[in-house]
Amino acid sequence: DTEVTQTPKHLVMGMTNKKSLKCEQHMGHRAMYWYKQKAKKPPELMFVYSYEKLSINESVPSRFSPECPNSSLLNLHLHALQPEDSALYLCASSQGQGDTGELFFGEGSRLTVL
Amino acid sequence: AQTVTQSQPEMSVQEAETVTLSCTYDTSESDYYLFWYKQPPSRQMILVIRQEAYKQQNATENRFSVNFQKAAKSFSLKISDSQLGDAAMYFCAYRRSKAAGNKLTFGGGTRVLVKP
Repeated sequence: DTEVTQTPKHLVMGMTNKKSLKCEQHMGHRAMYWYKQKAKKPPELMFVYSYEKLSINESVPSRFSPECPNSSLLNLHLHALQPEDSALYLCASSQGQGDTGELFFGEGSRLTVL
Repeated sequence: AQTVTQSQPEMSVQEAETVTLSCTYDTSESDYYLFWYKQPPSRQMILVIRQEAYKQQNATENRFSVNFQKAAKSFSLKISDSQLGDAAMYFCAYRRSKAAGNKLTFGGGTRVLVKP
């Protein structure tokens, strides 16, 4: 199994809503990532979890709250978002030591904030 | 901070022809990893090819090959015998280390159009 699964694929929410994005991998990878991608732009790193601990937060606003319940799951909790937060949110994972160095990506969750 | 630059926003190629995408990067590290990812309209990032900086030999994967010039900090991708399915956004990416949690930094991307 070489997949990273993200749900939902599409999400529309109002600025006062609370929602969550979910990411799952069963490759035994020990690092998981959230990237944000605006249209026609490269992905930008938001958060990194390494061995289930938050290791990188790229100065992301607190309305985005990551959570890593276990080594296979990564959530992104969303609250009081702004229309400019509309984007494709990509989850990725990597093995860690001894691997080929690549990140494996999910298909992304397309978020629209009204 | 490491930066990755792709100077070609868009490239067009005739089917069965060859196209080369440019990428330069900036780093003070001596050992690192470089990648080309493809993102079709379906939006999933797919690894095309990888190169480890300590390896002098250029990586190849079927119709895809790279020209890695470490001193010049250049990492170009050549797509041979282009196919319609190659049409996508291509991102060059840099990673300082394979260690768990080490981030991947992307260039701005090059859109490849394939003409039948």
